[in-house]
Amino acid sequence: DQQVKQNSPSLSVQEGRISILNCDYTNSMFDYFLWYKKYPAEGPTFLISISSIKDKNEDGRFTVFLNKSAKHLSLHIVPSQPGDSAVYFCAASLNNAGNMLTFGGGTRLMVKP
Amino acid sequence: DSGVTQTPKHLITATGQRVTLRCSPRSGDLSVYWYQQSLDQGLQFLIQYYNGEERAKGNILERFSAQQFPDLHSELNLSSLELGDSALYFCASSVATGGGQETQYFGPGTRLLVL
Repeated sequence: DQQVKQNSPSLSVQEGRISILNCDYTNSMFDYFLWYKKYPAEGPTFLISISSIKDKNEDGRFTVFLNKSAKHLSLHIVPSQPGDSAVYFCAASLNNAGNMLTFGGGTRLMVKP
Repeated sequence: DSGVTQTPKHLITATGQRVTLRCSPRSGDLSVYWYQQSLDQGLQFLIQYYNGEERAKGNILERFSAQQFPDLHSELNLSSLELGDSALYFCASSVATGGGQETQYFGPGTRLLVL
């Protein structure tokens, strides 16, 4: 049972345009959501997070939106840069479960110059 | 650089063998988490330690065990290795203030290949 899903395995965008990566979850008890970026042969790098009590969090070019009623979150990257090309994972955690992360399957983003 | 270190970076071994993966958390972090990334399963939580004690367990096989030492570094022991254990093993750490909603920072991983 996949509690966190990223339905798009890949996404291609032009440099300078907006990249929108989506993530859906099924467990309404998740209270913290995170996005990680991963390059091949490296560990996941933390990008941005959002608490379940918020609906938006922004950090520079990265904005995460949370729609609790739809159990959906998205990561917006504006403007996209070639260096953003990587695999992006969304993850969710439950405070009462020791904060273990449940990950989506990842979306490979390719930003074309 | 996340501040989390893992050794070794690569490990090649044979079926039936036992290996130990090591992780040092970021300075000040009390919690250590282990994750496995295999081709068909994605990133899966294995086990968490907090200040030397086991705190949460995921889908960790009985052949696998872990511990966290007084200096807070952690080791993941994998025994009776099978071909299917070939994967990337990541360690992550967090401050663990007890308030929840904590960000985990990941190490570079250990790539295990079982032949």
